[in-house]
Amino acid sequence: NAGVTQTPKFQVLKTGQSMTLQCAQDMNHNSMYWYRQDPGMGLRLIYYSASEGTTDKGEVPNGYNVSRLNKREFSLRLESAAPSQTSVYFCASNPRSASYNEQFFGPGTRLTVL
Amino acid sequence: SQQGEEDPQALSIQEGENATMNCSYKTSINNLQWYRQNSGRGLVHLILIRSNEREKHSGRLRVTLDTSKKSSSLLITASRAADTASYFCATWNGGSQGNLIFGKGTKLSVKP
Repeated sequence: NAGVTQTPKFQVLKTGQSMTLQCAQDMNHNSMYWYRQDPGMGLRLIYYSASEGTTDKGEVPNGYNVSRLNKREFSLRLESAAPSQTSVYFCASNPRSASYNEQFFGPGTRLTVL
Repeated sequence: SQQGEEDPQALSIQEGENATMNCSYKTSINNLQWYRQNSGRGLVHLILIRSNEREKHSGRLRVTLDTSKKSSSLLITASRAADTASYFCATWNGGSQGNLIFGKGTKLSVKP
C-alpha cells in the first residue's frame, strides 16, 4: 500500500496563476483533509471531506476550493494564487468520518507563490 | 484557532537522556493524539489517549493526560539521535464530524 500520496512535491507559481494539488489514498478511508503548515503555526485545516460526496470548510478556507472526486481522491485548487498561500500543504485521511482515531498523512507539497 | 500549545517550543538533549514535552489545551476533549514530523516529511501518528485514560505507553513513549488541568505530556525515554523531529499534540473534541486541532509543536534535537 502506498498510503497517502500527493503530487506535485514542489511547485513555484506566480501571483494570479492557478493550480490543483492532487491527493490520493489507497486505504479505503472515509474522510480526507487538506492542511497547510506555516513556520511556527502548526497545521491549520483548510477543507475536509467526511465522506465521498461531501466537503466542508475548515479554519482557513479562503482562496481555496476542493473536490472529492471519489473515495480515493481529494484535490485542492488555488484559483488565483497569492504570496500568502506560500506554504507546505499536507493531505491526510482517516478511516472513519470523524477524527476519533489517527490520521494518515501524505509527504506534503511545498508551494511558493512569487 | 490553535487548541493545543506545546511547551517547550524547542528542546535539545544528549542521546540517552529523557525528553519531556507538554501540551495544554483550552476546551474539553474526546481524545488527544501525538504526532512526530521529521524534517521535510509528513506527520506520523505516535499515540492516542482517550479522555477517560490517564496514562498510556508505547515502546519508549509514555503519555499522560490530566483533563482537570487540560494538559498532556509526552515522555521519550532513552532518546536516540533518530528521535530528532518536531512533535505535535492534536485534540479532538468529538462530534459527528469533529476534526483534529493541532498545536504549534516542540522541536526536539537529540545530539549523539
